[in-house]
Amino acid sequence: AQTVTQSQPEMSVQEAETVTLSCTYDTSESNYYLFWYKQPPSRQMILVIRQEAYKQQNATENRFSVNFQKAAKSFSLKISDSQLGDTAMYFCDFMKQEYGNKLVFGAGTILRVKS
Amino acid sequence: KAGVTQTPRYLIKTRGQQVTLSCSPISGHRSVSWYQQTPGQGLQFLFEYFSETQRNKGNFPGRFSGRQFSNSRSEMNVSTLELGDSALYLCASSLGQGAHDEQFFGPGTRLTVL
Repeated sequence: AQTVTQSQPEMSVQEAETVTLSCTYDTSESNYYLFWYKQPPSRQMILVIRQEAYKQQNATENRFSVNFQKAAKSFSLKISDSQLGDTAMYFCDFMKQEYGNKLVFGAGTILRVKS
Repeated sequence: KAGVTQTPRYLIKTRGQQVTLSCSPISGHRSVSWYQQTPGQGLQFLFEYFSETQRNKGNFPGRFSGRQFSNSRSEMNVSTLELGDSALYLCASSLGQGAHDEQFFGPGTRLTVL
């Protein structure tokens, strides 16, 4: 079975600064997908960024980038130029490369961006 | 394009009752997945339906069941409710063609069991 661990229950960052959220996972699979989803207060969960395990290049999406270390089974999210709207619960997720969708969620990290 | 909708948004039931939750996916999406979110257990996968067939199943008891209709709308049913079933139930839809598909989440149904 796969497990996802987010060791930081809560974090805070000043507006315009950079913050890194940590995530480690455990799997015996060689092909899989990793995601970061965010759940803003009282709003719907949305995808932030995704990474295919077979790709060595780290994914980036505007101010969001990941540091994917496959051998270490680590998948951290870096948010640059933090904005107040980035305040949310962030979930690190794992999905096997198989037919169908089944996300395995980490416990989440609450990120608060302060002005 | 309209997003994923879930009805009802809030529900209060008593132990022993049963409940049905509904999820309407984004138009054109054929996969619907259900998740349970609680403070203690976090987010856990319940099941996924694709083209009216259950394609994946999580580790929940048989009291939790679901189905999908020909228009891709999905319902989940919980029978003989227990206090521990109190949770936010999220559904997510995707095109369903592969694990790389982005899942779009609904706002959730908040179920309280008294």
